Amino acid sequence: TQLLEQSPQFLSIQEGENLTVYCNSSSVFSSLQWYRQEPGEGPVLLVTVVTGGEVKKLKRLTFQFGDARKDSSLHITAAQPGDTGLYLCAGGGQAGTALIFGKGTTLSVSS
Amino acid sequence: DAGITQSPRHKVTETGTPVTLRCHQTENHRYMYWYRQDPGHGLRLIHYSYGVKDTDKGEVSDGYSVSRSKTEDFLLTLESATSSQTSVYFCAIRQGHTGELFFGEGSRLTVL
Repeated sequence: TQLLEQSPQFLSIQEGENLTVYCNSSSVFSSLQWYRQEPGEGPVLLVTVVTGGEVKKLKRLTFQFGDARKDSSLHITAAQPGDTGLYLCAGGGQAGTALIFGKGTTLSVSS
Repeated sequence: DAGITQSPRHKVTETGTPVTLRCHQTENHRYMYWYRQDPGHGLRLIHYSYGVKDTDKGEVSDGYSVSRSKTEDFLLTLESATSSQTSVYFCAIRQGHTGELFFGEGSRLTVL
């Protein structure tokens, strides 16, 4: 069974701080996705990484896929209150199989 | 973006009663999924469908059944609801070649 471990589970920081969220597994994934979820809504896709070592940037968010395609990280620079939410990583296996989700990191950014 | 509508959005029911949640999509996507989300457990796959009348079980399928008689509709049924099935249920469709999911807004079910 493939598992994705996210850390930390909770993160509470001040506006302007930097943070990193980790997503680790012992399994290799063909792709790794990050989602953000706000209360009362469904998760929304932020990014997909597919190549080992790949780095993608989305404004102040930087996503990295590990060289071995077993782990990923999300780094937020100068966090803002609007970044508050639940961040979920999800791993994809073979084509047609369902995504495996980590349990998520709840981020709270206060001004 | 694909249009996904979940209904009902909120439901309170009693133990032992049947419940059906509906997911409707407007863009003819082949793959549809039902997840449940619970504190401490994240998103867990219940069932998914890869075409009309083609469905398969996920990791937490016990107590749930699904049906897909039309491409646009994916129904999740709890034959006899239990308190452990109190949860938020999300429907999703698969987009893109790397399996990106587009989620509905969720259905909050409370079983008393």
